[in-house]
Amino acid sequence: DAKTTQPTSMDCAEGRAANLPCNHSTISGNEYVYWYRQIHSQGPQYIIHGLKNNETNEMASLIITEDRKSSTLILPHATLRDTAVYYCFSGYSTLTFGKGTMLLVSP
Amino acid sequence: DAGVIQSPRHEVTEMGQEVTLRCKPISGHNSLFWYRQTMMRGLELLIYFNNNVPIDDSGMPEDRFSAKMPNASFSTLKIQPSEPRDSAVYFCASGQPQHFGDGTRLSIL
Repeated sequence: DAKTTQPTSMDCAEGRAANLPCNHSTISGNEYVYWYRQIHSQGPQYIIHGLKNNETNEMASLIITEDRKSSTLILPHATLRDTAVYYCFSGYSTLTFGKGTMLLVSP
Repeated sequence: DAGVIQSPRHEVTEMGQEVTLRCKPISGHNSLFWYRQTMMRGLELLIYFNNNVPIDDSGMPEDRFSAKMPNASFSTLKIQPSEPRDSAVYFCASGQPQHFGDGTRLSIL
């Protein structure tokens, strides 16, 4: 599994879009990009994943650069309940959890 | 729609005792993963199964840890004998993408 790097923390105002970046410069051709989040004391929650194309679901959008070396998770209208640690991975079958980005959504 | 079910939610026991953690994956999922999370080391993959067969157990810390998956709907992670440094939250996940249970918070005194 490729190594990923993310900022340690980010702040976002409630109602605004939260854009969380991730670098995965060593990603290989068949590895997907996954995003999870973990709210304190809960299990990690799957958000979205993609291979090449941008993806959108009810939770978020995922933008993957054309060279696939980086991606951005977009929460279009962040709420206080989106405060969590967000993890980005690139992998095929197993996930290697890094330290993630602590997103704090404030009123 | 039931998610991944783990039991117990909390376990407190004395060092040297055997600990057994249980996991029921989501029905139809062919893969199952065991993770351990601590403040110091973050979330670590211990072992994963595909179609009930262990595929990669390189994350299992030492011989005191063992995991089994006797059928598609049940898996156990056993620690014998337990030590204080085993204290952590243990998560089970199933499927691709992985769906996690709520974890077992284990404290070894």
